[in-house]
Amino acid sequence: KAGVTQTPRYLIKTRGQQVTLSCSPISGHRSVSWYQQTPGQGLQFLFEYFSETQRNKGNFPGRFSGRQFSNSRSEMNVSTLELGDSALYLCASSSGLGLLFYGYTFGSGTRLTVV
Amino acid sequence: SQQGEEDPQALSIQEGENATMNCSYKTSINNLQWYRQNSGRGLVHLILIRSNEREKHSGRLRVTLDTSKKSSSLLITASRAADTASYFCATALNSNSGYALNFGKGTSLLVTP
Repeated sequence: KAGVTQTPRYLIKTRGQQVTLSCSPISGHRSVSWYQQTPGQGLQFLFEYFSETQRNKGNFPGRFSGRQFSNSRSEMNVSTLELGDSALYLCASSSGLGLLFYGYTFGSGTRLTVV
Repeated sequence: SQQGEEDPQALSIQEGENATMNCSYKTSINNLQWYRQNSGRGLVHLILIRSNEREKHSGRLRVTLDTSKKSSSLLITASRAADTASYFCATALNSNSGYALNFGKGTSLLVTP
């Protein structure tokens, strides 16, 4: 069974540009979440989607947005990039809720560097 | 803001020894999870313990949860060099409308041969 796939693995962008990151969850998983990891702030929740609906959103500016498609694949977009957006962006998927929730499966991440 | 806080921040042991990491959190939870991360790669889910459980085992891992003290511990027995990684606890707040995980800063474990 394929894992969570994130593309691209590495990305270098210039301040002011925008970027789109992609995530393909495990087949059958309908929940997809995104996290940002930096040395200073650690792992921070960005947003969570389930069946194309955003269910939860973290405390990030409106420059950060995302969406989920009908096949559960998800994208996140960051507009007007800032140096502080340099981070490892992690996508995670899960299959269930409540007693059927057993934790998330994470992808290997996209390393974004803003110069 | 970080919900969970791991302790210690760093731990260095020799192969064969046991490693214990602790996690404290602030608010009521539905479940608590432990994840491992190797060298800035993706996180690997280790174990999930629900708020009505007190102890859980998985292979060489043992997790305890004390909801009265809002704390959890992860014990890795008979550590191996391959256990070298960062370990994070994560608390999940909402079970009906999805989960937003709050991670601690992590414990960096070094296991030397």
